[in-house]
Amino acid sequence: SSELTQDPAVSVALGQTVRITCRGDNLRTYYASWYQQKPGQAPVLVMFGENNRPSGIPDRFSGSTSGNTASLTITGAQAEDEADYYCNSRDSSVDHLYWVFGGGTKVTVL
Amino acid sequence: QEQLVQSGAEVKKPGASVQLSCEASGYTFTTYHIHWVRQAPGQGLEWMGVINPSGGSPIYARKFQGRVTMTSDTSTNKVYIQLSSLRSEDTAVYFCARLGFDYWGQGTLVSVSS
Repeated sequence: SSELTQDPAVSVALGQTVRITCRGDNLRTYYASWYQQKPGQAPVLVMFGENNRPSGIPDRFSGSTSGNTASLTITGAQAEDEADYYCNSRDSSVDHLYWVFGGGTKVTVL
Repeated sequence: QEQLVQSGAEVKKPGASVQLSCEASGYTFTTYHIHWVRQAPGQGLEWMGVINPSGGSPIYARKFQGRVTMTSDTSTNKVYIQLSSLRSEDTAVYFCARLGFDYWGQGTLVSVSS
């Protein structure tokens, strides 16, 4: 399957830890990347590769992969982390030419 | 710094075509592929395809094959996406993003309505 599956929504108390997951057969071959999107804005890359943060992304964001599941963990969630989060990866089916996004997870910081 | 700047909003009627542009600056244009991604209102991100600004055949998502054309102009550092036979379901914000999705354009709203 070329799909990536994310839970639609998750909530976390301010300062606590939340893990967002992304599942799909593609992830047995390719790492997921993660994007944060706030209302009315373009997505922002927050994690790529095995566990790599672009410059400017706080170190409270971390990534991991196990089998067909990639995870983005926010340790000590802040109010500004409230956003939609999307994963994506290259599609491992057929000829590996395509890309696919997960459906997104809305993170609410309480 | 690296930047992608997209063209302005468009309003189209069903059956029409639309062409959007994405201008790159702050890096060597031909070094990185450019993806196109769209987002319908209240929905998630949808990958449409990718183009190598240096040349070669673009790769289009199966859903859009036959209806989408991506081109590039190295003289202006722009890539273009054309979507034809527009229908109401094509109403969305269209984003361009650099290879690795590390830089994104600001998005262009395309509204399709009779």
